[in-house]
Amino acid sequence: KQEVTQIPAALSVPEGENLVLNCSFTDSAIYNLQWFRQDPGKGLTSLLLIQSSQREQTSGRLNASLDKSSGRSTLYIAASQPGDSATYLCAVNTGFQKLVFGTGTRLLVSP
Amino acid sequence: DGGITQSPKYLFRKEGQNVTLSCEQNLNHDAMYWYRQDPGQGLRLIYYSQIVNDFQKGDIAEGYSVSREKKESFPLTVTSAQKNPTAFYLCASSIGTLGAFFGQGTRLTVV
Repeated sequence: KQEVTQIPAALSVPEGENLVLNCSFTDSAIYNLQWFRQDPGKGLTSLLLIQSSQREQTSGRLNASLDKSSGRSTLYIAASQPGDSATYLCAVNTGFQKLVFGTGTRLLVSP
Repeated sequence: DGGITQSPKYLFRKEGQNVTLSCEQNLNHDAMYWYRQDPGQGLRLIYYSQIVNDFQKGDIAEGYSVSREKKESFPLTVTSAQKNPTAFYLCASSIGTLGAFFGQGTRLTVV
């Protein structure tokens, strides 16, 4: 059974820092991996989608990498801002877009 | 605007009552999904549908029912058999391998 783990569970950094969020999964047979952002009481906003054949994807200050063989993905946030404060979730697609989620990393960026 | 609309945003259920959560999408996506989110846990899949008039159970389907009579709509009924229904419910849709898109969620509380 696929299991997804996110470390750390919570992270607090001052504004301007570069940071890395980690996601690991137990079964490398995935179709893709997706990173989401969730603000309190809100739905999920898709940030980046990495297909299983890709190594990384970039969008603005965000860069996500995927190492399928080792079961790891990282989300790199450059020059963090207070508006980046949210919970970040990774999810692996195990087929038919059935997503298995990690429990998230709660990020707080202080001014 | 294209997107996924969930209603209502907040819902209160009395003991023994069935309630229905609405999910509508105008993205022309084939697949739709219902997830449940509890504090400290990742999202868990309740039901999913790949095509109209067809749906499959996810990991925690007991106490829930769905229908898919139209491509745009995938309502979720929380029945009285669901013993712990208080949670945040999220609907999603997808097409091909383009990743999942989520609605803004419905918070259900038992009173």
